[in-house]
Amino acid sequence: DVKVTQSSRYLVKRTGEKVFLECVQDMDHENMFWYRQDPGLGLRLIYFSYDVKMKEKGDIPEGYSVSREKKERFSLILESASTNQTSMYLCASTAGGIRGNEQFFGPGTRLTVL
Amino acid sequence: QQQVKQSPQSLIVQKGGISIINCAYENTAFDYFPWYQQFPGKGPALLIAIRPDVSEKKEGRFTISFNKSAKQFSLHIMDSQPGDSATYFCAAIISGSARQLTFGSGTQLTVLP
Repeated sequence: DVKVTQSSRYLVKRTGEKVFLECVQDMDHENMFWYRQDPGLGLRLIYFSYDVKMKEKGDIPEGYSVSREKKERFSLILESASTNQTSMYLCASTAGGIRGNEQFFGPGTRLTVL
Repeated sequence: QQQVKQSPQSLIVQKGGISIINCAYENTAFDYFPWYQQFPGKGPALLIAIRPDVSEKKEGRFTISFNKSAKQFSLHIMDSQPGDSATYFCAAIISGSARQLTFGSGTQLTVLP
C-alpha cells in the first residue's frame, strides 16, 4: 500500500514563527502536493512538485514556500506564520502521467497559529 | 474560480436510506471524475471514479451517475450505514495533468443509527 506520512498531526505555533511541515511518500511517486482544507472550502492547492527541485504554484501560494530536495520528501514552509494560516494541511502524491489520476493523501497536520 | 460545485454541504440520512451528493463542473476538458471519502482524523481516500464515456458506475453500495450533457455527476450511497458517516469530496481531473485535479467543497454525511 502507498504510504504518505506527515511529520506532525498537530502543531501550535505563534504568529511570526517559521513553520516547517514535512511529507514523505514511499511509492516513488513523481508528483507531490500540498493542500489546505478549510470547512466549506474543500481542498485548495497551495503548491505542487512534479520532480525533484521542481515546483509550481497552486491556487493559494501566498505566504507559503516549498522544498523538494529528494523525490520522496516534500516540505511546506510558512516563512512567517499568521493566524489566517490556521488550517488542516494535507500532503498527497501521485504517479506521473496518466497513471497519476489517483492522489494518495497523508493523515494531515492540524496547524494552529496563535 | 470554483470549477467544481458540490451540494449539499451537509446531509443527514437515516440508516438504510439513500444518500445523494451532487456535483457540477464547468471545464469540458475534465475526463476523470473521482470521489474521495474522508473520515475524521484521516486524509481523503479514493472511493470510486468514473470516466465520461459511461453514464453509471457501481461498486457495492456506491454508484456514480454521470450526465455529460448537463456537466453533472452524483454519488449515490444505497442502504446507508453509520460507518458511511464521513466527508465526501467530488473531484475532476484532466488525465495526465497532475495540476488539474479540482475538488468540490465537500459534503459532511451523517448516517443516524
